[in-house]
Amino acid sequence: GNSVTQMEGPVTLSEEAFLTINCTYTATGYPSLFWYVQYPGEGLQLLLKATKADDKGSNKGFEATYRKETTSFHLEKGSVQVSDSAVYFCALSDRPNDYKLSFGAGTTVTVRA
Amino acid sequence: DAGVIQSPRHEVTEMGQEVTLRCKPISGHNSLFWYRQTMMRGLELLIYFNNNVPIDDSGMPEDRFSAKMPNASFSTLKIQPSEPRDSAVYFCASSLGAGKEATGELFFGEGSRLTVL
Repeated sequence: GNSVTQMEGPVTLSEEAFLTINCTYTATGYPSLFWYVQYPGEGLQLLLKATKADDKGSNKGFEATYRKETTSFHLEKGSVQVSDSAVYFCALSDRPNDYKLSFGAGTTVTVRA
Repeated sequence: DAGVIQSPRHEVTEMGQEVTLRCKPISGHNSLFWYRQTMMRGLELLIYFNNNVPIDDSGMPEDRFSAKMPNASFSTLKIQPSEPRDSAVYFCASSLGAGKEATGELFFGEGSRLTVL
């Protein structure tokens, strides 16, 4: 079946540091890929997505590129802020049942001033 | 605009008691999801409704769990009787579209944290 594996945390960084969170996937078809973010005490919210190979999703300074050849969708940000402290989830949709998102375990990121 | 609204935010109950969690999806969304989040198992999809009809309940743990969606603006998740292993954060999420129209963008509520003693 489809699954997502993301790097284990927690990750602790200083402000303005570079952030990378690795995500690889296993899928039988051509899934759409997502990054969701969960801030403390809140529900998850969509950060960015990519629906086909070589697409790049971007939002709030975060980027991720859909790499079919390496089955990866790594999340990057060049200069993190304290406000980026959150749990980040990689996810994929299972076509044709697009509603069924498979989530990774989540990576906790803490940014220190 | 109002997002997905869940209640209660926190619930502490004793084993054997009935628990009812409530959700109001975003107006106009036709898909609703109940997820459970625990440290051990991460995020698990419990049930999915489309146009108020349960489409996939394969994630519902057992008969103690039931979910209803009597209309487009309200859903409940009920646990009867509750057990300590049900302790988790339960999220409701809604989205617009299903099947080919699905975008994968789910809008989550803030969650209901359940503790069963």
